Amino acid sequence: DAMVIQNPRYQVTQFGKPVTLSCSQTLNHNVMYWYQQKSSQAPKLLFHYYDKDFNNEADTPDNFQSRRPNTSFCFLDIRSPGLGDAAMYLCATSRGVDRGTETQYFGPGTRLLVL
Amino acid sequence: GEDVEQSLFLSVREGDSSVINCTYTDSSSTYLYWYKQEPGAGLQLLTYIFSNMDMKQDQRLTVLLNKKDKHLSLRIADTQTGDSAIYFCAEAGRRALTFGSGTRLQVQP
Repeated sequence: DAMVIQNPRYQVTQFGKPVTLSCSQTLNHNVMYWYQQKSSQAPKLLFHYYDKDFNNEADTPDNFQSRRPNTSFCFLDIRSPGLGDAAMYLCATSRGVDRGTETQYFGPGTRLLVL
Repeated sequence: GEDVEQSLFLSVREGDSSVINCTYTDSSSTYLYWYKQEPGAGLQLLTYIFSNMDMKQDQRLTVLLNKKDKHLSLRIADTQTGDSAIYFCAEAGRRALTFGSGTRLQVQP
């Protein structure tokens, strides 16, 4: 049974055309994360939500935004995608951020192609 | 600072054991993780070890932790072609997860 679901699995957009990636979870976890992973690199954390509290990483470009309308869903909005934003985008969840609750479970990812 | 390092590539023959190594720097890490990523897929949590343990075994997987040297290893017994993937170690320290760059395991039939 899928626990962290990402749609679509593949997304093609045009240079500068806004795009939204979706993530949902059936784990009822408090924390949801978005990572960017470029080819042959480690995943890079963009931001995370603890409940409704948004936490941005210092080096995440302003071009990336996120929304979490409820516990189950989290969206990644890329306002003006550039060629350098082509990557795999991974969503993850965890129960919390404290000791014993921070184990993260990942979705299958959405591969974004920018033409 | 936080830094997690892994060797980039490992090739083994089917049926042999594989050992993937990782070093980390954050001594406050609570848990250390191993994730597996197959081509075009997300990260699958394989196993994890709490920082006050030195070994954890789960079927074909054995995790060894040397906290003094900040060294973590993953041993896969009887490696199969289906084990071919990239393996990431990660530490849960003061902030979120810090990943290594991944070790690509190639299993030769």
